Amino acid sequence: DSGVTQTPKHLITATGQRVTLRCSPRSGDLSVYWYQQSLDQGLQFLIQYYNGEERAKGNILERFSAQQFPDLHSELNLSSLELGDSALYFCASSVVSWPNTEAFFGQGTRLTVV
Amino acid sequence: KNQVEQSPQSLIILEGKNCTLQCNYTVSPFSNLRWYKQDTGRGPVSLTIMTFSENTKSNGRYTATLDADTKQSSLHITASQLSDSASYICVVSAGASGGSYIPTFGRGTSLIVHP
Repeated sequence: DSGVTQTPKHLITATGQRVTLRCSPRSGDLSVYWYQQSLDQGLQFLIQYYNGEERAKGNILERFSAQQFPDLHSELNLSSLELGDSALYFCASSVVSWPNTEAFFGQGTRLTVV
Repeated sequence: KNQVEQSPQSLIILEGKNCTLQCNYTVSPFSNLRWYKQDTGRGPVSLTIMTFSENTKSNGRYTATLDADTKQSSLHITASQLSDSASYICVVSAGASGGSYIPTFGRGTSLIVHP
């Protein structure tokens, strides 16, 4: 158990809908990262927050947004969902920002868009 | 464009044997290189982290090497065990503006260890 909690574990929704994925980082970790893992693309970095502020942005679509709240938990919002958004979404956390600090991954949320 | 290529795509070995996984990258400016182990359906777990100045790092039966000149890394697994069956992912981070770092992930090598 990495100490990073993601909910829900599984999510099935229809195209065009909007969902929110939640991540609770390890106690004391200030940095949260979101990743998408699909079968054809592998792991892709989406976005990083550090102590409530956006720190780095990767290949995140405009239909996706995220935020980190004062209690340091984070949410990833996915809207206007398409079939291609079906993937595993991982959250990771670290004490400080990359690059050389250990990041711990949650168990992921498996999103299926039908 | 930053890229990380891993080989082989998949590998099957017998328990107790050694194996070596490869990672080639074109990431700039280089910040660090990590190897992760990912069991099916679970989050990746870090094995090693190496910066530009490090060329070898070990974690138990896992030894990673880095050649920053040729932009290659390898992960050597010694005396493999059934529990080593997993996907091994190479991740290279590049420095970005504002002190941030952007990781680029390889597609991974799927390792299966047979008894």
